[in-house]
Amino acid sequence: GQSLEQPSEVTAVEGAIVQINCTYQTSGFYGLSWYQQHDGGAPTFLSYNALDGLEETGRFSSFLSRSDSYGYLLLQELQMKDSASYFCAVKNNQGGKLIFGQGTELSVKP
Amino acid sequence: GAVVSQHPSRVICKSGTSVKIECRSLDFQATTMFWYRQFPKKSLMLMATSNEGSKATYEQGVEKDKFLINHASLTLSTLTVTSAHPEDSSFYICSAGRGGGASYEQYFGPGTRLTVT
Repeated sequence: GQSLEQPSEVTAVEGAIVQINCTYQTSGFYGLSWYQQHDGGAPTFLSYNALDGLEETGRFSSFLSRSDSYGYLLLQELQMKDSASYFCAVKNNQGGKLIFGQGTELSVKP
Repeated sequence: GAVVSQHPSRVICKSGTSVKIECRSLDFQATTMFWYRQFPKKSLMLMATSNEGSKATYEQGVEKDKFLINHASLTLSTLTVTSAHPEDSSFYICSAGRGGGASYEQYFGPGTRLTVT
């Protein structure tokens, strides 16, 4: 089967750095994606890692270690608007399907 | 960027009726679209993969006869919830695939909130 694990919730203060971890078990792994979803909204794409290492996009960075089946999303200089749910998702070779983790609810406090 | 729309954004229907939800890729052609449902505070659950010109591929546990999927063109897929019941109330989200191989990405629509009374 396929499964992903990530923390259910994380709390941090404005300006801080937070890391959301994701471990996965899957077959036919292509890469790991991260999505942000605000209440009532659709998921928006944040980043994608197909190879080991760190990908940086502005305040957000994502890391992947294929040998450890592990990745993380790093959010820097947190802002109140970053309060949302964050999902890791595995892309596999079965027609490009995405399998989502359970999501991490991030609360940013003043 | 790639834009995916869904219609309607919200729908309320009576138990026993059918509801059709449309998913359109506005600025690109998508041979594959995906349908998800999401319960409050829960993850996105893949329901089915919609392939243009062929039958949809349903995930285990999803009733094919209840959730009818049609992908008649490269820019439109529809999900019809037949004989809806209150337990079908959920947030339904579609996505459209673009690109190929490792560069393949999914772009999500804004979602449709279905309430069955």
